[in-house]
Amino acid sequence: AQSVAQPEDQVNVAEGNPLTVKCTYSVSGNPYLFWYVQYPNRGLQFLLKYITGDNLVKGSYGFEAEFNKSQTSFHLKKPSALVSDSALYFCAVRDRPGRRALTFGSGTRLQVQP
Amino acid sequence: DAEITQSPRHKITETGRQVTLACHQTWNHNNMFWYRQDLGHGLRLIHYSYGVQDTNKGEVSDGYSVSRSNTEDLPLTLESAASSQTSVYFCASRGENTEAFFGQGTRLTVV
Repeated sequence: AQSVAQPEDQVNVAEGNPLTVKCTYSVSGNPYLFWYVQYPNRGLQFLLKYITGDNLVKGSYGFEAEFNKSQTSFHLKKPSALVSDSALYFCAVRDRPGRRALTFGSGTRLQVQP
Repeated sequence: DAEITQSPRHKITETGRQVTLACHQTWNHNNMFWYRQDLGHGLRLIHYSYGVQDTNKGEVSDGYSVSRSNTEDLPLTLESAASSQTSVYFCASRGENTEAFFGQGTRLTVV
């Protein structure tokens, strides 16, 4: 079985400061990891993914994520937060290639204060 | 441009009624999924399909059904709507080696 944990319901950060949104996972094989963002009254938008290769993955809007196999983590990061980054962020995992569905975490609300 | 659309965007129905939510994608993806989003639970998988005539149950499938008669559509049916099914529903599709693309969501209220 595969599962994802996002330990923080909400993260508050001041504009211009670095941000981190935490994610840990549990899978039986090699993980395929994803981050999605949801703005109010919208569907989920893809930010970035880790399949294999470099542990630091760069994605849309200046976001990046670091895959850490020993800690089973895939934290989302951004060097300098913007007020427009305020949204709901979801981490997701699947444990093999092919067609299995993603398992999502419960989401973390990011609030960036001006 | 290819897209995935859901309809209706908002629906209010009465307990016990049958309701069908539509999902249509023009990506030509084989894989389609229905999730529900509830506060504190994130997105939970209801049903999914790997291709025409294929359907599978997800973790919260009780009270829901889907059918896949073509590649583009995966309608979700609530056989007898219950208040516990008040939620926001998202449809998604994915190619074999792509990320998932999500619709805008359907907000369903069962009164």
